[in-house]
Amino acid sequence: AQSVTQPDIHITVSEGASLELRCNYSYGATPYLFWYVQSPGQGLQLLLKYFSGDTLVQGIKGFEAEFKRSQSSFNLRKPSVHWSDAAEYFCAVGTPNSGNTPLVFGKGTRLSVIA
Amino acid sequence: DGGITQSPKYLFRKEGQNVTLSCEQNLNHDAMYWYRQDPGQGLRLIYYSQIVNDFQKGDIAEGYSVSREKKESFPLTVTSAQKNPTAFYLCASSSRGQGTYEQYFGPGTRLTVT
Repeated sequence: AQSVTQPDIHITVSEGASLELRCNYSYGATPYLFWYVQSPGQGLQLLLKYFSGDTLVQGIKGFEAEFKRSQSSFNLRKPSVHWSDAAEYFCAVGTPNSGNTPLVFGKGTRLSVIA
Repeated sequence: DGGITQSPKYLFRKEGQNVTLSCEQNLNHDAMYWYRQDPGQGLRLIYYSQIVNDFQKGDIAEGYSVSREKKESFPLTVTSAQKNPTAFYLCASSSRGQGTYEQYFGPGTRLTVT
């Protein structure tokens, strides 16, 4: 069965600094990969997704992520963080050719942004 | 606008009472899901349904029940058998097809049981 690890429970960055959130997955082949963001008390919003092809994917709000097969990773990056990016971020993995089986989510990384 | 509606936003119940959380979608998605979220626990899958009149247990189904009589609706009942029901509940949906496509989430319902 697939699994997702987000090693960092909480990260604090200064506004304007760069950001990288780590995500590692366990799956025997190339999975589908997703990053979601959740503001307090809200639902999850999809930031970006990777199915195949170019390993660097662009998402909304200036985020990007890079799929690295050799490292089983799909890290999320942003060159310059804004205070509004403070939220919880979830990485998720899905399995190709398995019908609509549920995504498997990591436990999340909480991002705090300081002035 | 297409989307997922969860109502109510906040729900309060006394211990020992069953309570039903509503989830409706107008995205024409075949699959729907219920997750529970507790601080530091991420999202835990309660039940999911890939098609009308069919559903499967997730990782933490004990104390919960669901029905899927219509494509648009997937209500979740939190029964009195659920030992710790206070949590944030999220409903999601996705389109059916080969592989697992992205899930779209509703705004959530915060349930407090005292």
